[in-house]
Amino acid sequence: DSGVTQTPKHLITATGQRVTLRCSPRSGDLSVYWYQQSLDQGLQFLIHYYNGEERAKGNILERFSAQQFPDLHSELNLSSLELGDSALYFCASSVGHRGPYGYTFGSGTRLTVV
Amino acid sequence: GDSVTQMEGPVTLSEEAFLTINCTYTATGYPSLFWYVQYPGEGLQLLLKATKADDKGSNKGFEATYRKETTSFHLEKGSVQVSDSAVYFCALSDAGSGTSYGKLTFGQGTILTVHP
Repeated sequence: DSGVTQTPKHLITATGQRVTLRCSPRSGDLSVYWYQQSLDQGLQFLIHYYNGEERAKGNILERFSAQQFPDLHSELNLSSLELGDSALYFCASSVGHRGPYGYTFGSGTRLTVV
Repeated sequence: GDSVTQMEGPVTLSEEAFLTINCTYTATGYPSLFWYVQYPGEGLQLLLKATKADDKGSNKGFEATYRKETTSFHLEKGSVQVSDSAVYFCALSDAGSGTSYGKLTFGQGTILTVHP
């Protein structure tokens, strides 16, 4: 157990739907990062939050949004889902926001859009 | 922008063979370099890292040296075991870019299978 908890582990949904993925960071970590892992794109950085504030955006679609709550857990919202959104979504947490030295990954949420 | 290129896989070896997985990078600043490993059904785990030129990262018999002159960070292990079968990712974090210091840019991953 890495200490980073992601729920649900698996999610199957239909095109056009909306889903929410949840990430609880390791105790004491203030940063949460979201990544998408797909067969064709590999691992892509989506977004980074530090202590409730957005710090950086990567290749995140406008249909996707995220937030980090006061208790530091984060949610990634995916809407108007398309077949191509099927992927593994990972979050990682770290204590600070300068350098990924303390990165810890969760085990991921596998999203299947049918 | 930043990029990482790994040797194409999959790589199949017999137990006790020597392993090399090539990794080269492109970055505008002074990146830190990492190797992560992903076992089936699990998230990524940090295997080793190097934060400046000529640093050697090592862990569990794996090692990699940060070569700035060749922009490379090749992963090596002298004698692989069946339990090393996994996907290996090379990654960089460019702390000098002025953007998110925590962001990692990954290579495409190399699948390693070790047979007894």
